[in-house]
Amino acid sequence: GENVEQHPSTLSVQEGDSAVIKCTYSDSASNYFPWYKQELGKRPQLIIDIRSNVGEKKDQRIAVTLNKTAKHFSLHITETQPEDSAVYFCAASAGDKLIFGTGTRLQVFP
Amino acid sequence: GAGVSQSPRYKVAKRGQDVALRCDPISGHVSLFWYQQALGQGPEFLTYFQNEAQLDKSGLPSDRFFAERPEGSVSTLKIQRTQQEDSAVYLCASSLGARGYRNTGELFFGEGSRLTVL
Repeated sequence: GENVEQHPSTLSVQEGDSAVIKCTYSDSASNYFPWYKQELGKRPQLIIDIRSNVGEKKDQRIAVTLNKTAKHFSLHITETQPEDSAVYFCAASAGDKLIFGTGTRLQVFP
Repeated sequence: GAGVSQSPRYKVAKRGQDVALRCDPISGHVSLFWYQQALGQGPEFLTYFQNEAQLDKSGLPSDRFFAERPEGSVSTLKIQRTQQEDSAVYLCASSLGARGYRNTGELFFGEGSRLTVL
């Protein structure tokens, strides 16, 4: 079945710097790759997603890139702000469900 | 309601007790998922419903775990004879279309039910 690996597990950046989180997946049939943000004690919320027919997608300070050949995708956050501090999860589709990575705790220091 | 609602938010059970966790999805959402999230980990898939039909239960860790959605809306996850390893946050998510994420993409999560087994 699908396996999703995510790294780094923790990431600390200075406010204003960029942050990059990377994920790899195993199932070449996967065709949908969302990213969820989870603040402490809160529910995961979708921040951006990409489908396999697109190589890159951008929404303001957030972008996601997908390399289907290498089976990896990345989340890029530019001009980070303290409110970006949270745990970020990547996921890949497997049939009708999503398989999640283990998460990256991002800390943005003022 | 405006979002996915789960209850109870917190549950403490003694080992061996049975527990029932409730999920009230967004009205009209066809797909419903249960995930288990251990401390510091990502959500792990448990089971998936399309309306009242349980189409995938491959993630349920043992036959002590049982889920139902009898009328295609509210769902209950039941854990019998709880063990310490069952301690986790149980997340419910719903999606508008059939076949999970395929039609609309987004899964809407509830706040979760945190189960602690002593």
